[in-house]
Amino acid sequence: EIVLTQSPGTLSLSPGERVTLSCRASQSFSTRYLAWHQQKPGQAPRLLIYGTSSRATDIPDRFSGSGSGTDFTLTISRLEPEDFAVYYCQKYGSSGTFGQGTKVEIK
Amino acid sequence: QVQLVQSGAEVKKPGASVKVSCKASGYIFTNYDINWVRQAPGQGLEWMGWMDPRSGNTGFAQNFQGRVTMTKNTSITTAYMELSSLRSEDTAVYYCARGLSIAGRQPPRHWGQGTLVTVSS
Repeated sequence: EIVLTQSPGTLSLSPGERVTLSCRASQSFSTRYLAWHQQKPGQAPRLLIYGTSSRATDIPDRFSGSGSGTDFTLTISRLEPEDFAVYYCQKYGSSGTFGQGTKVEIK
Repeated sequence: QVQLVQSGAEVKKPGASVKVSCKASGYIFTNYDINWVRQAPGQGLEWMGWMDPRSGNTGFAQNFQGRVTMTKNTSITTAYMELSSLRSEDTAVYYCARGLSIAGRQPPRHWGQGTLVTVSS
């Protein structure tokens, strides 16, 4: 099974800053099968990005995804107060797995 | 609108089984995969597997092979996840989630509210 490793574990940032989150896979797979989710405390996750770079419905364009092979990135161009949350990358398809998450907290 | 409503919290003893239901509405039930994902207290998300409600085909994470069953009752648009041989480490919130699109094996897009399963002697 593919293992996804996210870094860093925690980021302390201020509103307005640019954020880059990393997701590295133990083996290469198609960009068709990489998603990013956001989760806030006490809530179910929310799909942000699928197919590495496609935004889900109603997701603001400050969120973008990129990458290929084993290295994938989620970028938030300017942090809004509502963006402080935990972010998970996910490999989906016939088999799936999540990364361990990156917490974006207020500095 | 798409809704997934899960069954209520459960308390089980080690070695028992638990069956969680997920009632779907607002879309054609057989057109979209159902994923199951769990989250232990204070921990990250763990993907358990998927089910195609049209065919009944399933796929599971290696960690759950032989211990999880995913089924459906199409007539009442409900999916089920049963986990057996429970241990304390299975204490978690269990989510069902509908896939993004009609194409199979898509990422979860619509989520249930979660079902807390507590395993304790």
